[in-house]
Amino acid sequence: DADVTQTPRNRITKTGKRIMLECSQTKGHDRMYWYRQDPGLGLRLIYYSFDVKDINKGEISDGYSVSRQAQAKFSLSLESAIPNQTALYFCATSDLRGPGANVLTFGAGSRLTVL
Amino acid sequence: QKEVEQDPGPLSVPEGAIVSLNCTYSNSAFQYFMWYRQYSRKGPELLMYTYSSGNKEDGRFTAQVDKSSKYISLFIRDSQPSDSATYLCAMGDSGGYQKVTFGIGTKLQVIP
Repeated sequence: DADVTQTPRNRITKTGKRIMLECSQTKGHDRMYWYRQDPGLGLRLIYYSFDVKDINKGEISDGYSVSRQAQAKFSLSLESAIPNQTALYFCATSDLRGPGANVLTFGAGSRLTVL
Repeated sequence: QKEVEQDPGPLSVPEGAIVSLNCTYSNSAFQYFMWYRQYSRKGPELLMYTYSSGNKEDGRFTAQVDKSSKYISLFIRDSQPSDSATYLCAMGDSGGYQKVTFGIGTKLQVIP
């Protein structure tokens, strides 16, 4: 099994629908992240969490929300999806502190298309 | 100006060539320098990790960091078609948040 598992891997939805992307990890890492990747824009941080009680906004959090249900689970929600949220979404994890905090382990990605 | 600048390419080379991939950065607080490899439709995976200035070699891959010039490089010797991927540089500081900043990625194609 993968260290970082994302579901669903692919999703097509319509404008205005609520969507949840889920992430679970077996790395035992404290930090978890959600990124989106767009052609020409690279990886952009949406939200990050240091632990269950510590959640922080990233560069582009508008239109998104997250929930850290447990140390190993971090979900991303789009309350009312819009077409410009069409992108490849990645969950990632890392150690809490020290050099390992800079080394991210990524999931395989969730491709979201909003029509 | 972006904190990390990386040429998106694409870069096409013949099999066996030496490939040089580069990034420049502006934040002097960066101390950790990483290279990730991302195959199509996959997540990025860590390829090389370097702390501060200097060189690090791992098989056909060499990472170089020049903090005085704020410039990092990844060299791939004897490039193979299996090296065809997007290479992302990434940099981190040692502050309280220890933020990691990614380059946009360079798409490499190695032609047999």
